[in-house]
Amino acid sequence: DSGVTQTPKHLITATGQRVTLRCSPRSGDLSVYWYQQSLDQGLQFLIQYYNGEERAKGNILERFSAQQFPDLHSELNLSSLELGDSALYFCASSPGQGGSPLHFGNGTRLTVT
Amino acid sequence: SQQGEEDPQALSIQEGENATMNCSYKTSINNLQWYRQNSGRGLVHLILIRSNEREKHSGRLRVTLDTSKKSSSLLITASRAADTASYFCATDDSNYQLIWGAGTKLIIKP
Repeated sequence: DSGVTQTPKHLITATGQRVTLRCSPRSGDLSVYWYQQSLDQGLQFLIQYYNGEERAKGNILERFSAQQFPDLHSELNLSSLELGDSALYFCASSPGQGGSPLHFGNGTRLTVT
Repeated sequence: SQQGEEDPQALSIQEGENATMNCSYKTSINNLQWYRQNSGRGLVHLILIRSNEREKHSGRLRVTLDTSKKSSSLLITASRAADTASYFCATDDSNYQLIWGAGTKLIIKP
């Protein structure tokens, strides 16, 4: 068990809708990372938060947004969903801003129909 | 853009054999990490090797790093069915942002 909790595990929704994915990092970790993994593909880095502040941004679409709350949990909001947004969305956490191993949650599988 | 590129893309071996996967990268790094992902699950960190290290061991895992060739290899000895998974390398840039390869899919045949 990595200590990183993601909810929900599965999400099925229609095109054009908006969803929110939630992540609780491992106890003591200040950084939260969001990744997208399409079927049989590698990881696409979306965004990183460190202690409530955005630290790094990857290939995150404008339709997507995220935030990290004072209790360090994070939410990823996906709006105006398209079929191509169907993927596994992973959250990971680490103690510092970078340079140490990441601990991954088991992901949220999003299916857009 | 992807910095780490794993080779081969897929590998199928018999249980008990050794499995070797390679990772190449393009720019200077601070460290290189290897992760395992079982189908549909989150990634699990295996090993981290720093740029000033050449070899590291963890159980049945052996990782080497050649910074002159910008490459790393992951060796799994005496493979088991439970080693069936995808393996990813990740390198960090000067800002400690991880850049991931596309992964090697390893299948261990009983």
